[in-house]
Amino acid sequence: GNSVTQMEGPVTLSEEAFLTINCTYTATGYPSLFWYVQYPGEGLQLLLKATKADDKGSNKGFEATYRKETTSFHLEKGSVQVSDSAVYFCALGDSGAGSYQLTFGKGTKLSVIP
Amino acid sequence: EAQVTQNPRYLITVTGKKLTVTCSQNMNHEYMSWYRQDPGLGLRQIYYSMNVEVTDKGDVPEGYKVSRKEKRNFPLILESPSPNQTSLYFCASSPTENYGYTFGSGTRLTVV
Repeated sequence: GNSVTQMEGPVTLSEEAFLTINCTYTATGYPSLFWYVQYPGEGLQLLLKATKADDKGSNKGFEATYRKETTSFHLEKGSVQVSDSAVYFCALGDSGAGSYQLTFGKGTKLSVIP
Repeated sequence: EAQVTQNPRYLITVTGKKLTVTCSQNMNHEYMSWYRQDPGLGLRQIYYSMNVEVTDKGDVPEGYKVSRKEKRNFPLILESPSPNQTSLYFCASSPTENYGYTFGSGTRLTVV
């Protein structure tokens, strides 16, 4: 079956530091890949996505590139802010046999300190 | 405002007492889904629906039922709740399968 593995947290960074959160996946088909963010006490929000190999998703200074050869979709940001403190989820969307499933990683908690 | 609305936000109930968590979206989305979120396990899909009257099981469907009689509504039914269904539940919707889901604010359920 499909699966998503993302780096264990928590991750603590100082403001303006560079962020990388690793995400790798296993899929039988040609999935779409997503990053979601969850702020405390809220639901998940779509941060960015990529639907095919070599696509780069970007939003709010965050980027991730769909790498089929390494089955990865690592999240990066050049300079984090305190307001980026949240839990980040990598997810895989796959259609197969007429069905659609969205599979999430376990989440990585990011804390940014001033 | 485009949104997914879940009710209630918080619910404490007793084992075996049937309950329904409602979910409604105002975006005319085809796809809807229910997830549960548990510490250390992340989000796991319970059921999803690709259109009216079309539903299918996700990864953890045991103990849950859903229905999709109208496009906007996708209620989650627990016929006989048990303590292991204590969790944070999210409903989500999407216009297409790869567009990305919009999530509701969540329902925190405690079964005692």
